[in-house]
Amino acid sequence: DAGVTQTPRHEVAEKGQTIILKCEPVSGHNDLFWYRQTKIQGLELLSYFRSKSLMEDGGAFKDRFKAEMLNSSFSTLKIQPTEPKDSAVYLCASSWTGNTGQLYFGEGSKLTVL
Amino acid sequence: GQQVQQSPASLVLQEGENAELQCNFSTSLNSMQWFYQRPGGSLVSLFYNPSGTKHSGRLTSTTVIKERRSSLHISSSQTTDSGTYLCALGAYKVIFGKGTHLHVLP
Repeated sequence: DAGVTQTPRHEVAEKGQTIILKCEPVSGHNDLFWYRQTKIQGLELLSYFRSKSLMEDGGAFKDRFKAEMLNSSFSTLKIQPTEPKDSAVYLCASSWTGNTGQLYFGEGSKLTVL
Repeated sequence: GQQVQQSPASLVLQEGENAELQCNFSTSLNSMQWFYQRPGGSLVSLFYNPSGTKHSGRLTSTTVIKERRSSLHISSSQTTDSGTYLCALGAYKVIFGKGTHLHVLP
């Protein structure tokens, strides 16, 4: 079975640009998560979808971060406009609700904002 | 809010030594998970262990919910065990600890 697929693996953006990161969850999973990982803050939850409905929008990340899930097998995370402090690894994870939260992670998208 | 504290923050071992990593959490939620992350790599699930003890090769996870703690024991460490070990608590809205950075020397 295919795991969680994230693209691109690496992205370099100029300050002020718009970037879109993509995620395909494990087939059949109905929970999808976006996390940001930095050395200082560790893993921070950005968004959480259940059956395509947004359940958590990450509080402090609301203004420039927008996650969408147009169908059960594809999600995007848009950052607009980007700032240097957004440089981080963005991880997508999925799980099956009936499995009470066991997470499966993608390889991540490393974003560098100049 | 919910908190997950991991200790030690970092650990250096000689190959062959054992390691005990700790995770303490502030609530009695179930769904404790342990992950391993190589430098620059993604997270790989080691254990999904809401309670009790589980074994996988040289790894053992023990979770005691009423004491709000979980541990990960690595026996006979190898250089390939180097990396970051993260514990995570909760179902659906999962909270992660900051991790234990393990370095195993040859």
